[in-house]
Amino acid sequence: EVHLVESGGDWVQPGGSLRLSCAASGFTFSTHWMTWVRQAPGKGLEWVANINDDGRQKQYVDSVKGRFTISRDNAKNSFYLQMNTLRDEDTAVYYCGRALRGVDTWGQGTLVTVSS
Amino acid sequence: QSVLTQPPSVSAAPGQKVTISCSGSSSNVGNDFVSWYQQLPGTAPKLLIYDNNKRPSGIPDRFSGSKSGTSATLGITGLQTGDEADYYCGTWDSRLSAYVFGTGTKVTV
Repeated sequence: EVHLVESGGDWVQPGGSLRLSCAASGFTFSTHWMTWVRQAPGKGLEWVANINDDGRQKQYVDSVKGRFTISRDNAKNSFYLQMNTLRDEDTAVYYCGRALRGVDTWGQGTLVTVSS
Repeated sequence: QSVLTQPPSVSAAPGQKVTISCSGSSSNVGNDFVSWYQQLPGTAPKLLIYDNNKRPSGIPDRFSGSKSGTSATLGITGLQTGDEADYYCGTWDSRLSAYVFGTGTKVTV
């Protein structure tokens, strides 16, 4: 069974940093694009970033460019979202996903709260 | 704000049918496949429809998708109380170089 599990969500002050992780299982991780999607409290879904199968291609929504970095470790079947210079508006549940047919598999989500 | 527009809410009685529209442009809906997602209260989204009209394994045929030009539609027939959820369309936008989601539609049964 295809399975994704996020970790790393926490409360952080504005300007701070946080690293989210997503552990994958049940499929050949190294052959798939992966993605991060977030959802602010009471709001809709917002795509954050994609990374291709070998980690060389990365795409970001404009609002996080220069602050967030997506990466992966195929040997560990995991990928990550390094979030720097966090802002209040980055507060959201962050979902990791497999970027196939849109997003065909989602993790359960991890909450990031940015507040002073 | 999203570049894909959906109605905020739709409602119908159990057993009836609803349709949800997703209006975009030539750089997104008109240029790539559309997916639909269901988000039950308090849970992660789930893929419902991909490639405009295909259903993943396990998704009942009560759910259907279609696309014409720069608009896509999700249909749900035989509504059940368990279908009460938020529904989102999504596709790649070639102008923004970003995946975009619709504004979301709350279905009430």
